[in-house]
Amino acid sequence: NAGVTQTPKFQVLKTGQSMTLQCAQDMNHEYMSWYRQDPGMGLRLIHYSVGAGITDQGEVPNGYNVSRSTTEDFPLRLLSAAPSQTSVYFCASSPAGLAKNIQYFGAGTRLSVL
Amino acid sequence: GQSLEQPSEVTAVEGAIVQINCTYQTSGFYGLSWYQQHDGGAPTFLSYNALDGLEETGRFSSFLSRSDSYGYLLLQELQMKDSASYFCAVRSDTGRRALTFGSGTRLQVQP
Repeated sequence: NAGVTQTPKFQVLKTGQSMTLQCAQDMNHEYMSWYRQDPGMGLRLIHYSVGAGITDQGEVPNGYNVSRSTTEDFPLRLLSAAPSQTSVYFCASSPAGLAKNIQYFGAGTRLSVL
Repeated sequence: GQSLEQPSEVTAVEGAIVQINCTYQTSGFYGLSWYQQHDGGAPTFLSYNALDGLEETGRFSSFLSRSDSYGYLLLQELQMKDSASYFCAVRSDTGRRALTFGSGTRLQVQP
């Protein structure tokens, strides 16, 4: 059972570089989302998707793009990395219709922007 | 907007009982969730309350009072492996099934 898989686990970027954080889930979940977690803080929603072809902004979307071409994959793109984007990024998925709204998280990508 | 308040840190000894409180403000309420996160790990689901009262899952219980916008997580028979951060969360106003999290309570269990 792979669940939610994120790659890479660690990444160091220079200011201005771009990169894509990968997220894949094998549970056929309709709902996927990206969060960032800064030290000592809770998770903040960046972007989310309620199904293939549908994405929308969360609480802190600036500087990030997403796409959802398949149910399984939900990549997060940093357009021009900035030191303020140094954080741990978590991808999560959730099945539709479940009242408990359980989010299943990937192991995270630890990103440093120099 | 939404906000959740919880204590930043709690310390307890092995075998004891600890309660982590959470107060929330949200325009639409769809239940209060609790997640556990060990250092360097991913958040994992612990418990969920949609209605007032106590939900029990093994050593962990969660309580909700909707009229007080308040809930708590109760951990009994504490073990060293319970040392982790605990987050309360409500459904986000912006992200449909996404969650808005509190800042987390770091629990340290001492021998």
